[in-house]
Amino acid sequence: SQQGEEDPQALSIQEGENATMNCSYKTSINNLQWYRQNSGRGLVHLILIRSNEREKHSGRLRVTLDTSKKSSSLLITASRAADTASYFCATDGGGADGLTFGKGTHLIIQP
Amino acid sequence: KAGVTQTPRYLIKTRGQQVTLSCSPISGHRSVSWYQQTPGQGLQFLFEYFSETQRNKGNFPGRFSGRQFSNSRSEMNVSTLELGDSALYLCASRGDRRPGGYTFGSGTRLTVV
Repeated sequence: SQQGEEDPQALSIQEGENATMNCSYKTSINNLQWYRQNSGRGLVHLILIRSNEREKHSGRLRVTLDTSKKSSSLLITASRAADTASYFCATDGGGADGLTFGKGTHLIIQP
Repeated sequence: KAGVTQTPRYLIKTRGQQVTLSCSPISGHRSVSWYQQTPGQGLQFLFEYFSETQRNKGNFPGRFSGRQFSNSRSEMNVSTLELGDSALYLCASRGDRRPGGYTFGSGTRLTVV
């Protein structure tokens, strides 16, 4: 079942601009992860934020987590054409239930 | 080190047949999970294996089964295929350190006709 909902479903921006994607979830989590998927291929792990963290950075990526609102955001700064992909948030409850994914945001970077 | 390898990349099967998909995790990873991705339902958890034991299974019928071998390689099997089983099947592995992200394979695209 889908736990997360990404917003927006699709986003088109110009190269060099920043892209922000949001994710909401429903149950308690151990951590939240963001993944990228290019054209129906495998998912690539981007960043993981633990439930006791509020913000995390990795290169051009910035992730925030608000457990009181059960939401997270992914910011990609200085976007590039190669960032064109679908982005998914996934919650990890810490058990053996695997990841619960949202429906994803399709990001298009216009050159 | 080598990534997660899934074979075959593409499969076309007929309704009623069965299919077996294979996944080789990253060396040293004992946890292997399977996911189904469809346009309508998105990414859904199928099952997770750790050291040859199925730890959990998602909300899928009994036609979906899997196993893990002593070398951590995993297979999933779908019997009596239905048109709705057409999907991208993704395998992922992760190390023992927690928390940790998953490394996904490129997937097997199954088409049931």
